[in-house]
Amino acid sequence: QVQLQESGPGLVKPSETLSLTCNVSGGSISSYYWSWIRQPPGKGLEWIGYIYYSGSTNYNPSLESRVTISVDTSKNHFSLNLSSVTAADTAVYYCARDVSGYYSDYWGQGTLVTVSS
Amino acid sequence: AIRMTQSPSSLSASTGDRVIITCRASQGISSYLAWYQQKPGQAPELLIYAASTLQSGVPSRFSGSGSGTDFTLTISCLQSEDFATYYCQQYYSYPRTFGGGTKVEIK
Repeated sequence: QVQLQESGPGLVKPSETLSLTCNVSGGSISSYYWSWIRQPPGKGLEWIGYIYYSGSTNYNPSLESRVTISVDTSKNHFSLNLSSVTAADTAVYYCARDVSGYYSDYWGQGTLVTVSS
Repeated sequence: AIRMTQSPSSLSASTGDRVIITCRASQGISSYLAWYQQKPGQAPELLIYAASTLQSGVPSRFSGSGSGTDFTLTISCLQSEDFATYYCQQYYSYPRTFGGGTKVEIK
């Protein structure tokens, strides 16, 4: 059973970079697509982007200028960097395994990141 | 981006009821639609993909239908564990987009 676990700071200052890592266990990161999805408190879901294990990426245009997703197959994890954050980036951030980059069949438990000084 | 609109945004129902949630896409998406269930404080769980294919392990009281722009999620006999928020998501084109959610509450 694949398990995903997000890790990273729960508090980030405005204008700084949000950095999260998703550790994948119970299976290999290879041969799959991996996404980041976020959910502001009390609101709906927003897809941030995905990375294929080979390193190719696809980002939401609404965030593309600020987002970088990377993968480290040797450590079986992938990461999210979101730069120049504002309070609007406060959300629960989920990592997830994708089926062919289309929809997500395994999700991490999510981690709340608050942007505040 | 394709806009996904769910209705209703919330509903009250009793255990044993039949519940229908609708999802409309702003343009045709064929059958490239998934449904998720999210309980408070938990991550979403995949219920259905390809509009009508049940994810492994999901109870058969859940079903999905539709193609093009109009889709439905039906819960045939609501159970206590089904009180949750449900989201549709299109994957016809990027960016992947979600509906605003439908909260199913206890009457």
